[in-house]
Amino acid sequence: DAGVIQSPRHEVTEMGQEVTLRCKPISGHNSLFWYRQTMMRGLELLIYFNNNVPIDDSGMPEDRFSAKMPNASFSTLKIQPSEPRDSAVYFCASSLGLAGRSSYNEQFFGPGTRLTVL
Amino acid sequence: SQQGEEDPQALSIQEGENATMNCSYKTSINNLQWYRQNSGRGLVHLILIRSNEREKHSGRLRVTLDTSKKSSSLLITASRAADTASYFCATDANRANNLFFGTGTRLTVIP
Repeated sequence: DAGVIQSPRHEVTEMGQEVTLRCKPISGHNSLFWYRQTMMRGLELLIYFNNNVPIDDSGMPEDRFSAKMPNASFSTLKIQPSEPRDSAVYFCASSLGLAGRSSYNEQFFGPGTRLTVL
Repeated sequence: SQQGEEDPQALSIQEGENATMNCSYKTSINNLQWYRQNSGRGLVHLILIRSNEREKHSGRLRVTLDTSKKSSSLLITASRAADTASYFCATDANRANNLFFGTGTRLTVIP
């Protein structure tokens, strides 16, 4: 298996532009997580899905952020409009099951998308 | 707020020495996991220890869990330069449906 795939790996954009980050989870995994990592705030959970359904989006910083999972093999995280403070590394992760419901809740992370908003 | 807190924040040792990192958490858990992150890469799962386990080994890794103290430790024996990375603990706090990651320990192994 290729693991979790994220694209693009690097994104540089100007303030106000729309940014779309993409993720393909590991086949057979039914949970998908979006994280943001910065030096100041560490690793933050933004939103997670189970069986393509958003379960908890309380980590999404504001309405400029939205995430979708139209099918089991694809998810997007969109920022519109982007701001310089959104600059971070965004990770997607997937797991077989959810923590608390299965012992197999090990998360597999993608390589991340490094976003720079100028 | 994050569930886990690692200690120390940074650790620098000579190759061949042992490295010990600690993690404290706040609420009841089903299990606790340790992850490694090399610079510029995603996190990689190292080991999982369940709440009814006290110690677990995997190669040069030894993890302990003390649920009464809500703490865990990760020991890396005979460290190598390739072990240089950040190490995070993660818990399913309150048996929640997501993992809470700590702030990480930055380990540097000097050749």
